[in-house]
Amino acid sequence: AQTVTQSQPEMSVQEAETVTLSCTYDTSESDYYLFWYKQPPSRQMILVIRQEAYKQQNATENRFSVNFQKAAKSFSLKISDSQLGDAAMYFCAYRIITFYNNNDMRFGAGTRLTVKP
Amino acid sequence: NAGVMQNPRHLVRRRGQEARLRCSPMKGHSHVYWYRQLPEEGLKFMVYLQKENIIDESGMPKERFSAEFPKEGPSILRIQQVVRGDSAAYFCASSPNLKVDTQYFGPGTRLTVL
Repeated sequence: AQTVTQSQPEMSVQEAETVTLSCTYDTSESDYYLFWYKQPPSRQMILVIRQEAYKQQNATENRFSVNFQKAAKSFSLKISDSQLGDAAMYFCAYRIITFYNNNDMRFGAGTRLTVKP
Repeated sequence: NAGVMQNPRHLVRRRGQEARLRCSPMKGHSHVYWYRQLPEEGLKFMVYLQKENIIDESGMPKERFSAEFPKEGPSILRIQQVVRGDSAAYFCASSPNLKVDTQYFGPGTRLTVL
């Protein structure tokens, strides 16, 4: 069974500093996708960044970047120059795509990020 | 292009009543997914539908829960005879086709069962 583990229930960072959120996953598949979603107090799920497993290059989106270690099944999110608006729950998610089923997406339990001014 | 829309945003039901949650996918999206989020937990997959077809309902309880995505109109998640344990946030997501890996989420419906 595919599982996603976020070992840090809560994290805190000073504004303008850098923070890294951890995520590990377990799968027997070789082809899959990884995501980080952000859920602010509004409860909206917002896609932050995605990574294809077949790509060795780590994905980057402005202040957000990932450290994807396929052999270790690790997918951490780094937030640089943290801003107050980054405060939210962050969910790591894993997904395989098969020809018949497009549904196999698993979420971690989340990490609550607090940004201190 | 409007995002995924869900209504109502908040729904209060008494035990034993029925709850109907609606989801309109993004324009051009024919794949819809429903997830449930209990307090302080991640999202759990419930059901995946395409137009007029349920593709995978492995995450949905066998009793009291049903889902549909008709040819016309929104997808509906129906919970009959609600119980307190059904209280949760229910999220809908959509994607355009099989080849697109990213799901786009709606704002969710928070169901409270009294």
